[in-house]
Amino acid sequence: DAGITQSPRHKVTETGTPVTLRCHQTENHRYMYWYRQDPGHGLRLIHYSYGVKDTDKGEVSDGYSVSRSKTEDFLLTLESATSSQTSVYFCAISEKGADHEKLFFGSGTQLSVL
Amino acid sequence: QKEVEQDPGPLSVPEGAIVSLNCTYSNSAFQYFMWYRQYSRKGPELLMYTYSSGNKEDGRFTAQVDKSSKYISLFIRDSQPSDSATYLCATVDQAGTALIFGKGTTLSVSS
Repeated sequence: DAGITQSPRHKVTETGTPVTLRCHQTENHRYMYWYRQDPGHGLRLIHYSYGVKDTDKGEVSDGYSVSRSKTEDFLLTLESATSSQTSVYFCAISEKGADHEKLFFGSGTQLSVL
Repeated sequence: QKEVEQDPGPLSVPEGAIVSLNCTYSNSAFQYFMWYRQYSRKGPELLMYTYSSGNKEDGRFTAQVDKSSKYISLFIRDSQPSDSATYLCATVDQAGTALIFGKGTTLSVSS
């Protein structure tokens, strides 16, 4: 398995609280991605990074921010969690970008916002 | 219209059946197409990767792309209970930076 660790694996939080999810990789890959997966919507891209401090928005970025201060870590922050952000969050990595090779996915973080 | 459309199913078949999973896409500029398989409570993993039109075979799996009709298919021969999973089709966005996924089709193969 690709060296991707997501933490925490499960989290329950209350509406209005800040939440940070962490993705850690040991592969030294350049590209990192955050997706969310919801019934009826499939996987949707939130944000991605193409290098340290280089990030861009995806399809569903509203309410989320990211940071990448080191190659190995990509953080996803929900500034003020809402119930609509209850979802399974997946981190993915790629060495050369999605058009050159496959993405490796982590095992996901189940987030529940009450 | 979502850029990649996929019937979510569920699809239930007996062991040994031939399974056909399908997607359509909207942008004729898309060139790379993939199928990911996702087991329950796991992340997706790449199953098949094709570029442009044509067929690609890997064991019991065949991926087919028809660019004229913007149609992507995955065929599974001699299906096994271990094939029970959600199958997601995907393509690469025009910037070449990220994947766009279909909603996924849940397949159940009974023994």
